[in-house]
Amino acid sequence: GAVVSQHPSWVICKSGTSVKIECRSLDFQATTMFWYRQFPKQSLMLMATSNEGSKATYEQGVEKDKFLINHASLTLSTLTVTSAHPEDSSFYICSATALTSGRGETQYFGPGTRLLVL
Amino acid sequence: QQQVKQSPQSLIVQKGGISIINCAYENTAFDYFPWYQQFPGKGPALLIAIRPDVSEKKEGRFTISFNKSAKQFSLHIMDSQPGDSATYFCAARAGTYKYIFGTGTRLKVLA
Repeated sequence: GAVVSQHPSWVICKSGTSVKIECRSLDFQATTMFWYRQFPKQSLMLMATSNEGSKATYEQGVEKDKFLINHASLTLSTLTVTSAHPEDSSFYICSATALTSGRGETQYFGPGTRLLVL
Repeated sequence: QQQVKQSPQSLIVQKGGISIINCAYENTAFDYFPWYQQFPGKGPALLIAIRPDVSEKKEGRFTISFNKSAKQFSLHIMDSQPGDSATYFCAARAGTYKYIFGTGTRLKVLA
């Protein structure tokens, strides 16, 4: 099946620094990837839709200058949390859509990246 | 209108029992309804999905029942096992590739 990877799986950083999270589709090409944020015991909150070769589309309330998204190729999207603060600590998950035999268009999720800002 | 309401918030089931999780939606434009399973510290994994022109879909122990007129759909886990203990999210597709997720149900299956 379609596999999505994320790197790093967890990161600890100091307040004020920037952190980059990579999302890769390993065995398929994804023109569209998605970035979610998940707080403990809560649902997934869509942050932005990442489109290859164009600007990301951010959901209402998500600061585009705070969460920089770059979709450099059909298999790679990056999320950079700029000037991170403790309130940015969360579980960040990316996903990509693939056409799967027998299931049609399906969204596959990465394993997530846990960010802790001290 | 973009919300997907999920219940219950948590569920405890005996091993071998049936786990039932329900979701309801308002937007009739939703055209695809997947269920995801998430273990702690992991990303969600697709479990099973259904389109609104089908009333039921079964894959192994997992069944989705879909009621288009009531705008409701549910996940049934037959013969629930301790390994099924996880958080389950329903979702609905709204527009091209955009998914709206339910609030999640934490399932615990007792051994």
